[in-house]
Amino acid sequence: QKEVEQDPGPLSVPEGAIVSLNCTYSNSAFQYFMWYRQYSRKGPELLMYTYSSGNKEDGRFTAQVDKSSKYISLFIRDSQPSDSATYLCAMTTLNTGNQFYFGTGTSLTVIP
Amino acid sequence: DSGVTQTPKHLITATGQRVTLRCSPRSGDLSVYWYQQSLDQGLQFLIHYYNGEERAKGNILERFSAQQFPDLHSELNLSSLELGDSALYFCASSDWRASGYNEQFFGPGTRLTVL
Repeated sequence: QKEVEQDPGPLSVPEGAIVSLNCTYSNSAFQYFMWYRQYSRKGPELLMYTYSSGNKEDGRFTAQVDKSSKYISLFIRDSQPSDSATYLCAMTTLNTGNQFYFGTGTSLTVIP
Repeated sequence: DSGVTQTPKHLITATGQRVTLRCSPRSGDLSVYWYQQSLDQGLQFLIHYYNGEERAKGNILERFSAQQFPDLHSELNLSSLELGDSALYFCASSDWRASGYNEQFFGPGTRLTVL
């Protein structure tokens, strides 16, 4: 069993839709949870990170962490064509020296 | 632009060969991480160096090795290449601490194709 599971999609939505991206994980020691966005043939770039459980909002993006269910989500409101990319979840523990565990990524296309 | 540079951008080689991928971290970052990204496996952590010393190893094959030099740039050496080694190889850097969270900044990657 992989430590982090993510539905690869692909996901295709119309412009303006609300997008929900999700990951599950198995290691209860994970404390930091990140969402990266990766455009085609580019390196991943950090969108948001959260510590432990709870919600965090940044503009059109909201990250949610439910540690009791080992489940994290990223919501994108009013999706734009420029949001079309692959979204990767990642997580790490407090003391692994910053070793990140990534999901396989979900490919999102926002249709104008 | 993350500030992390990787060379070359593309590499095409044959099975059995050896290649070297190079990474320069962001100015001031002492930590360098190497990742392999393939279609079926996603982004897999390979190895982490901090200020010239190996700190953590992930799913790195014995045919692969890495080092970080005094000027903090790092090289990933891949030998006895197989078709399955074809992937994107990313380098990331951070100002690592022993605990807590440190954002990792990713380079643009090197696309390796083994024929």
